[in-house]
Amino acid sequence: QEQLVESGGGVVRPGGSLRLSCAASGFSFSDYGIHWVRQAPGKGLQWVAFIRYDGSHKYYIDSVKGRFTISRDNSQNTVYLQMNSLRAEDTAVYYCAREDTALTDAFDLWGQGTMVILSS
Amino acid sequence: DAVMTQTPLSLSVTPGQSASISCKSSRSLLHTDGRTYLYWYLQRTGQSPQLLIYDVSRRFSGVPDRFSGSGSGTDFTLKISRVEAEDVGVYYCMQGRHIPLTFGGGTKVEIK
Repeated sequence: QEQLVESGGGVVRPGGSLRLSCAASGFSFSDYGIHWVRQAPGKGLQWVAFIRYDGSHKYYIDSVKGRFTISRDNSQNTVYLQMNSLRAEDTAVYYCAREDTALTDAFDLWGQGTMVILSS
Repeated sequence: DAVMTQTPLSLSVTPGQSASISCKSSRSLLHTDGRTYLYWYLQRTGQSPQLLIYDVSRRFSGVPDRFSGSGSGTDFTLKISRVEAEDVGVYYCMQGRHIPLTFGGGTKVEIK
C-alpha cells in the first residue's frame, strides 16, 4: 500500500546536524512533491519545507533557511532533510507528507513521523 | 505570512450533536486560478494528521458526509454534524495559497 516512512531522528546537541529521510513506497514517487511538517511537543503543526516532484523548486520557512536543505533521490524513492546548526526550537516530531499535485494540492499521505530532540 | 486563526481552542460535544470550528486567514486564499486553497486536517491522539477537506468544501476520499466545509476569501468553517466518538482529536485548518504554508493553532474536540 502507499506509504511514507521517516527515519533519522534522534538526540543531538545544539549546533549539531542531522539528516532525516522519508522513504516512499506503493506509488509513483517521482510524480509527487513532498513536504516536511514539524510539531513541537504539545504544540501545533508547522510547515517546514517543500520539494517539487522533479527537485526543480524548493521552499522553506524563514526560520530554517540557510540551515536546512531539502533534496530528493527519485531513483531511491526518498526525500531528505539535512538539518545543520540545530537549535533548541527545532525540537519536534518531523513528518513528511505527499502533495497531491494532480487533484487537491493537499497533503493526502503522511508518514508516522520521526522525533528530533535538541539537548546539551 | 498568512496568519490562520482558529476558534474555539477546544470544544466538548455531546454525541449526535453538531460542532463548528472557525478559521480566519489574514490574507485572501483565493487564487487567480479560481481555487481557494484552504484545507482541514484531523490529528487523532498519537497519530499523524489526516486530510478531511480540500478547496474549502470538498471532502477527501473516504471522509464521511458528516464533515462539511464552507467559506470564502478569508473566513472559513468546518462543521461536524452528528458527532461520533471517532471524531475526537485536534482539527487544523491550513492555507496552501501563500508561501510559507501555514496552519491554524488547532481546535481540540472531545466528547462529553
